[in-house]
Amino acid sequence: GMPVEQNPPALSLYEGADSGLRCNFSTTMKSVQWFQQNHRGRLITLFYLAQGTKENGRLKSTFNSKERYSTLHIKDAQLEDSGTYFCAAEFYTNTGKLTFGDGTVLTVKP
Amino acid sequence: DAAVTQKPRYLIKMKGQEAEMKCIPEKGHTAVFWYQQKQSKELKFLIYFQNQQPLDQIDMVKERFSAVCPSSSLCSLGIRTCEAEDSALYLCSSSQEQNTEVFFGKGTRLTVV
Repeated sequence: GMPVEQNPPALSLYEGADSGLRCNFSTTMKSVQWFQQNHRGRLITLFYLAQGTKENGRLKSTFNSKERYSTLHIKDAQLEDSGTYFCAAEFYTNTGKLTFGDGTVLTVKP
Repeated sequence: DAAVTQKPRYLIKMKGQEAEMKCIPEKGHTAVFWYQQKQSKELKFLIYFQNQQPLDQIDMVKERFSAVCPSSSLCSLGIRTCEAEDSALYLCSSSQEQNTEVFFGKGTRLTVV
């Protein structure tokens, strides 16, 4: 299968809702990063994780290398959260080279 | 976000023309990566430099692209003969050698007509 499988491909939420995205990996990964891409194409780094859980405001991400998955949880969704979210993982054999998931298109509705 | 600078932001070329885009990595970063993204789909790895040396690249880059990082402050990615399929957003990223968190520039959007 694909080295990085990201789900769901698309997600629609109402303002104030909570939801999550998930990436499964075909093998043990060294690290994972989550990005938000806006409509102009700008990739904004949300999280970098080598293991464990990080939180930043309404966002929370977990990376379990042993179980081969990572999640991004969005709490109290806002209109400005709309965009495409990507997870990207680094193999142990590569230094910094990222393998990207297919992305999740998030639409937050009023 | 880190200051990875890419120029130009937009580039329009005709089929058969040469194209060149620039990337200034974050100060102090020794690793530079180029990715290609079509139609907001997943990013496709193109080439990786470490301390100005290309360490990994896909076949397409070897065959049709030219990429150099002559200094730690400026890298470039070129397409020798543009084809329609090269139309995409080209993203440059950089990272420190020890800490592999990467930061992306705003990209160069290439349109081949």
